[in-house]
Amino acid sequence: NAGVTQTPKFRVLKTGQSMTLLCAQDMNHEYMYWYRQDPGMGLRLIHYSVGEGTTAKGEVPDGYNVSRLKKQNFLLGLESAAPSQTSVYFCASAPPDLAFTFGSGTRLTVV
Amino acid sequence: QQPVQSPQAVILREGEDAVINCSSSKALYSVHWYRQKHGEAPVFLMILLKGGEQKGHEKISASFNEKKQQSSLYLTASQLSYSGTYFCGTGGLWGSSNTGKLIFGQGTTLQVKP
Repeated sequence: NAGVTQTPKFRVLKTGQSMTLLCAQDMNHEYMYWYRQDPGMGLRLIHYSVGEGTTAKGEVPDGYNVSRLKKQNFLLGLESAAPSQTSVYFCASAPPDLAFTFGSGTRLTVV
Repeated sequence: QQPVQSPQAVILREGEDAVINCSSSKALYSVHWYRQKHGEAPVFLMILLKGGEQKGHEKISASFNEKKQQSSLYLTASQLSYSGTYFCGTGGLWGSSNTGKLIFGQGTTLQVKP
């Protein structure tokens, strides 16, 4: 049972480039989330989804887009990367009993 | 609104106890607690639901005070493995007007020394 898998694990982007982060879960969870983690800032919610085909904005959604075309996948897109988006990105999914399962993270550097 | 955790950091000796608090300016429907070790993903510890129900690990306890809008995590007889950063998250119940969105506090760093 793989749980929540994030790809890639590391990435370096140049300012203005675009990329997509993939989150895949095999636990049949309805809800999925994208957070970013910066030193001293905790985990900040970017976007989340309560089911296939639905998405909603979190605390810091600007500069990001998401899609949930299949229940098991939640994609996070950066259309034009900026140095301020340098961060560690965590995906999470949640079952009906509320406990979140996190992926191992993606470390993104924008230069 | 991000919940506020206190203290920001604590250092313990093995066997000592610690309490970490999580306060919110909004009414709490549920509180989650997670622990994160350096370079790793957060790991689930505990959920407290409105009404007092708890779900989580046997060796960690927590309280949920609706009047004060505060939760406290109790770590007793600490072990070296308890070291890490503890995060609380506040959110809504499934099936309520909330969507299950979870907002985390800034974290409390716990270091347990031999």
